[in-house]
Parts: sequence; C-alpha cells; structure tokens
Amino acid sequence: AQTVTQSQPEMSVQEAETVTLSCTYDTSENNYYLFWYKQPPSRQMILVIRQEAYKQQNATENRFSVNFQKAAKSFSLKISDSQLGDTAMYFCAFTPWAAGNKLTFGGGTRVLVKP
Amino acid sequence: GAVVSQHPSRVICKSGTSVKIECRSLDFQATTMFWYRQFPKKSLMLMATSNEGSKATYEQGVEKDKFLINHASLTLSTLTVTSAHPEDSSFYICSARSFRQENTGELFFGEGSRLTVL
Repeated sequence: AQTVTQSQPEMSVQEAETVTLSCTYDTSENNYYLFWYKQPPSRQMILVIRQEAYKQQNATENRFSVNFQKAAKSFSLKISDSQLGDTAMYFCAFTPWAAGNKLTFGGGTRVLVKP
Repeated sequence: GAVVSQHPSRVICKSGTSVKIECRSLDFQATTMFWYRQFPKKSLMLMATSNEGSKATYEQGVEKDKFLINHASLTLSTLTVTSAHPEDSSFYICSARSFRQENTGELFFGEGSRLTVL
C-alpha cells in the first residue's frame, strides 16, 4: 500500500515571499504520478501541479514549482511570490501509473498568506 | 477544463433518513468516478471507485450497504447515504475521469457536498 506524508500541518508566509511545503511518499512502484492540489475555503479541489515519475525535470507552473527527488521519495512544493489568494489547504497526492487514477492523499498543509 | 458538478452542495437531514448526492460530468463521458469523504480539517479518504455500468468497488472499512453508489450512465454517479446518522455528517467529494484520462493521473473534481445529519 502507498502512503503519502505531509509533515507540516500549517505554515504561514508573508505576501510576496516564498514558502516550501514538504511531501514524502512510500511506494514500491517505479512508474507513478505525483500531484499537488489546492483546496481553498470554497472546498473545490484545484490541481496545482503534476509530475510524472519518469521525468527527471521538475515540473513548474508559473509561481509553483516542485523539487522531485525520486530516490528519496520526496516531492516538495515551492510557492514563490505568495499571494493572498494562495491561502488554502494543500494536498500532496500519489497514484501509480496503472491504478486508473486512484489517488492517495497526504494529510494536508494549511497555508496562510499574511498581508 | 472538464467540469464536474455535485448536487446538492449542502444538505441537512434528520437521523434515520436517506440522502442522495449526485455527481455529474457536464462536458465529458466519465467512465470512472471516485467518491471521497473529508472530515473537518482532514484529508480526503477514498470511499469507493465506480465504473459505468458495473458495481462499485469499496475501500476497506467502508460499508457498502450504508453508502450505496450507482453509476448507471456515463455522466452521472450517485451516492446514497442510507439511514443516515450524525456520524455520517461530513464533506463528500466526487471526482471523475474519462477513458482518455485512464492512467494519466488526471481527475476532475466536483465542488463537494456537505452533509449534516441532525
């Protein structure tokens, strides 16, 4: 069974600064996908960024980037130039390549961006 | 992007009644839908996977007679909480994918439904 661990329950950051969220996972699979999802107060899950395990290059999406370390099974998310609208719960998620998109979520990290 | 809609967004019911939550894919055919439960300030827990036209596959510890899932069409899956009790109060979220997204990891999430059982 796969597990996803987010060790930081809550983090705060000043507007315009950078914050890094950690995520580790445990799996025996070699091919898989990793995700970061954002859940704002509206509760709608929003895909922030996606990483394919076979790609060594770290994924980036505008102000969001990841540091994917496959050997260490680590998948951290960096939010640069934080904005007030980034305040939300952030979930790291994992799915093996052949699992039909069945996601396993980490416990979440609450990010508060302060003005 | 693809749109998944849940209805109702909020529902309050009396203990012992049954409640149905709908999950619709509005602009694609959802061959597979997933139902999650989320407790306050907690993560999403997968309840079951439903494939169109077949019985849902429930995760360990989820009562299939309690949480009835039907996926009778390619655009609609329903979750019925039968004989609801206060401990069933939670936020329920569905997600869906089409055949094209199989094994790509891509999922589209509904807005969620908050159930409160009095």
